[in-house]
Amino acid sequence: NAGVMQNPRHLVRRRGQEARLRCSPMKGHSHVYWYRQLPEEGLKFMVYLQKENIIDESGMPKERFSAEFPKEGPSILRIQQVVRGDSAAYFCASSAGTGAMNTEAFFGQGTRLTVV
Amino acid sequence: KQEVTQIPAALSVPEGENLVLNCSFTDSAIYNLQWFRQDPGKGLTSLLLIQSSQREQTSGRLNASLDKSSGRSTLYIAASQPGDSATYLCAVARSNDYKLSFGAGTTVTVRA
Repeated sequence: NAGVMQNPRHLVRRRGQEARLRCSPMKGHSHVYWYRQLPEEGLKFMVYLQKENIIDESGMPKERFSAEFPKEGPSILRIQQVVRGDSAAYFCASSAGTGAMNTEAFFGQGTRLTVV
Repeated sequence: KQEVTQIPAALSVPEGENLVLNCSFTDSAIYNLQWFRQDPGKGLTSLLLIQSSQREQTSGRLNASLDKSSGRSTLYIAASQPGDSATYLCAVARSNDYKLSFGAGTTVTVRA
């Protein structure tokens, strides 16, 4: 049973380009969360999705950032017109999400985005 | 807004010593609390999950306690080893929404 899979592991983009980060949750998990870890800072919640629905995007910047979790395929975090301040590690987590015994979050290895 | 604080920010101990890592949170209406380990440049590995109704969880040399009323959790690592060197993160889930609020972490160095 593969864990949470994120790709790419490392991504370099020039300012103004688009970054697309992918996350495949653990098998059987229908809840996906994206977190961002800026250098020397803790992880901050960005967005929470279930299949085809955005449940909570309160931590995501209003502009340039978007997320989706389609019925088929991985969850995608998309950053348009990247700026140097977007350089960070982006982590995806998944959970089964139902009931007290199913709320443990499992994290992927992260995608380290560098904007040059 | 949930604030999670971890003290100390860094800790260096000789091999064999027991480790005590502290986590405090401001809102006691939590669903669960998780302790994670993060190695440099790597992802997060879940160590222990404590439900809000529980007082502690144990796994091998690790023991985590939870005092929800005082907003505190403590991670104990017995007989530390150099392989325990990592950053340890505490994360709290708010009631019913599973969103995690993270502390900034405690970076542990175990000297051989």
